[in-house]
Amino acid sequence: QSVLTQPPSVSGAPGQRVTISCTGSSSNIGAGYDVHWYQQLPGTAPKLLIYVNSNRPSGVPDRFSGSKSGTSASLAITGLQPEDEADYYCQSHDSSLSGSVFGGGTKVTVL
Amino acid sequence: EVQLVESGGGLGQPGGSLRLSCAASGFIFSRYEMNWVRQAPGKGLEWVSYISSSGNTMYYADSVKGRFTMSRDNAKNSVSLQMNSLRAEDTAAYYCARLPLAEYYFDYWGQGTLVTVSS
Repeated sequence: QSVLTQPPSVSGAPGQRVTISCTGSSSNIGAGYDVHWYQQLPGTAPKLLIYVNSNRPSGVPDRFSGSKSGTSASLAITGLQPEDEADYYCQSHDSSLSGSVFGGGTKVTVL
Repeated sequence: EVQLVESGGGLGQPGGSLRLSCAASGFIFSRYEMNWVRQAPGKGLEWVSYISSSGNTMYYADSVKGRFTMSRDNAKNSVSLQMNSLRAEDTAAYYCARLPLAEYYFDYWGQGTLVTVSS
């Protein structure tokens, strides 16, 4: 059971917009800790996609965006592309665990 | 170019030990906090351990506390994870990951090393 809650899967046709939610609690997201997102393509290591709620590292397409409110955060992919088919994980810091916590991951399928 | 290269994975016996290493290059290693993150086959990511830039402070997930020990050698630009009392549920790909200065996210990851615990 992951500390952060994500939907197991989302899907959309090419060009559509999909969103992935990430729900935490008062000891992590609700305590003010930032949320970060990672993309994991099949057979590869995770890659930083969004940091500090809504910032994109250099090289990440602007169709990826993030937001945070209260004890939740979300990742949006606008203009879904076939190469976006991957697993996506949210991550934050938890004060009660003195460490990082992840969501269970969401598999994005491009129909 | 930042690089993190893990090694040391393989087959371990239940109750046995393994030692993982992560060699870092392309940045001033002694300034950065490091972590281990694992992923069981077909499962999600799980944070395992953290070490401060000086090596004086470590934190561990409850699932490995008392069994795993993280350390670093700033002279050799490397971190290690000593894994004792191995269990079947420790079977996973283990990733070395860097924390940017004063931040809580992982900006660079290694390619991972696979640990299988089985008799």
